[in-house]
Amino acid sequence: QVQLKESGPGLVQPSQTLSLTCTVAGFSLTSYNVHWVRQPPGKGLEWMGVIWNTGGTRYNSALKSRLSISKDTSKSQVFLKMNSLQTEDTATYYCARDRLNYGYTGVMDAWGQGASVTVSS
Amino acid sequence: DVQMTQSPSNLAASPGESVSINCKASKSISKYLAWYQQKPGKANKLLIYSGSTLQSGTPSRFSGSGSGTDFTLTIRNLEPEDFGLYYCQQHNEYPPTFGAGTKLELK
Repeated sequence: QVQLKESGPGLVQPSQTLSLTCTVAGFSLTSYNVHWVRQPPGKGLEWMGVIWNTGGTRYNSALKSRLSISKDTSKSQVFLKMNSLQTEDTATYYCARDRLNYGYTGVMDAWGQGASVTVSS
Repeated sequence: DVQMTQSPSNLAASPGESVSINCKASKSISKYLAWYQQKPGKANKLLIYSGSTLQSGTPSRFSGSGSGTDFTLTIRNLEPEDFGLYYCQQHNEYPPTFGAGTKLELK
């Protein structure tokens, strides 16, 4: 059964770095790409970036200077790091699997339940 | 980036009725549009991709249509579990972008 689960701190101070982990099960990170998407409270979804099965990455240009996505295939984990956090980064952060193995579609067929992150002092 | 405009923002209907949600892209995205359902406490669910292809497990009462810039999600014979938030997303080019969402509520 395909599963993704986000974990990380619920509270981050302004200007600090956010670190989130997405632990996956039921598929291999060597076969599938994984996306990160976030959703501020009461607002819509924003695509943040993707790490491909090959390990390459692509980021939303609006976040590129602050964002890093990496993975540990042996542990079935994908990592998100974003620095210089501000209050507007308060959101639920989701990881999601791309629908196609060994390819890219931009369609996310399995999602985690999300990790809520509040940026506040 | 491709801007996605969804309408209506809110929609009230009763079980058994049919509803349509529209999504308009700021430029042509060919057929590459996906629809997702979001419900509290549950993982987001992919319903349809490439405009009209039902994801495995999506009930046949859901259908998608459109191409270019204008797309529609239609839900026929609404079931109680269909109420929630719906988002469209273009998957034609980077970055993938989403509509602002449509809240389907029980009338």
